[in-house]
Amino acid sequence: SQTIHQWPATLVQPVGSPLSLECTVEGTSNPNLYWYRQAAGRGLQLLFYSIGIDQISSEVPQNLSASRPQDRQFILSSKKLLLSDSGFYLCAWSGLDSGANVLTFGAGSRLTVL
Amino acid sequence: AQSVAQPEDQVNVAEGNPLTVKCTYSVSGNPYLFWYVQYPNRGLQFLLKYITGDNLVKGSYGFEAEFNKSQTSFHLKKPSALVSDSALYFCAVSAANTGGFKTIFGAGTRLFVKA
Repeated sequence: SQTIHQWPATLVQPVGSPLSLECTVEGTSNPNLYWYRQAAGRGLQLLFYSIGIDQISSEVPQNLSASRPQDRQFILSSKKLLLSDSGFYLCAWSGLDSGANVLTFGAGSRLTVL
Repeated sequence: AQSVAQPEDQVNVAEGNPLTVKCTYSVSGNPYLFWYVQYPNRGLQFLLKYITGDNLVKGSYGFEAEFNKSQTSFHLKKPSALVSDSALYFCAVSAANTGGFKTIFGAGTRLFVKA
């Protein structure tokens, strides 16, 4: 079976500090990978998605970047955090094993920028 | 461009009554449509999907949704609500003609079921 791991679960960072959130998927090959941000417990904003290694699409111009160094690893980064980067970040995957673009989400990472 | 609208921020229903959570969408070509549920401080869980075929799709926990192409809607329904159904519900869409990779979510509707 497939599992998705996302860490850290909670992060408190000062403004201007760097960020690295990691996501890995096990039990499948060549997954599509996604980063979403959820602000204030409501809507999800698609940040990045990747259909393969080094194939990353950015949906919203912002202070964040994503990388996919390995097939099942997806990293969300920032060089200098802003207050507005606070939120709940969700990694997800889809693929042949999930069925017709159904997304399976990680447990999320809550980022607070002070 | 794809978009999803969930016109109600909140839906209140009494336990045992039927519930409906509304969703309309905009996408080029044929849509893939989904409903997800989120419990507090958790990731989203898949409920059901429409890809093709029968317009009425059934999913987890007794939920169902009806695809209406002319109204570009995909409303979520359940014949008899439970208190445990209280959660945040998201409608989502992706475009079949671009491989369905890019999934866009609505703003979410909070469902409260009162005992």
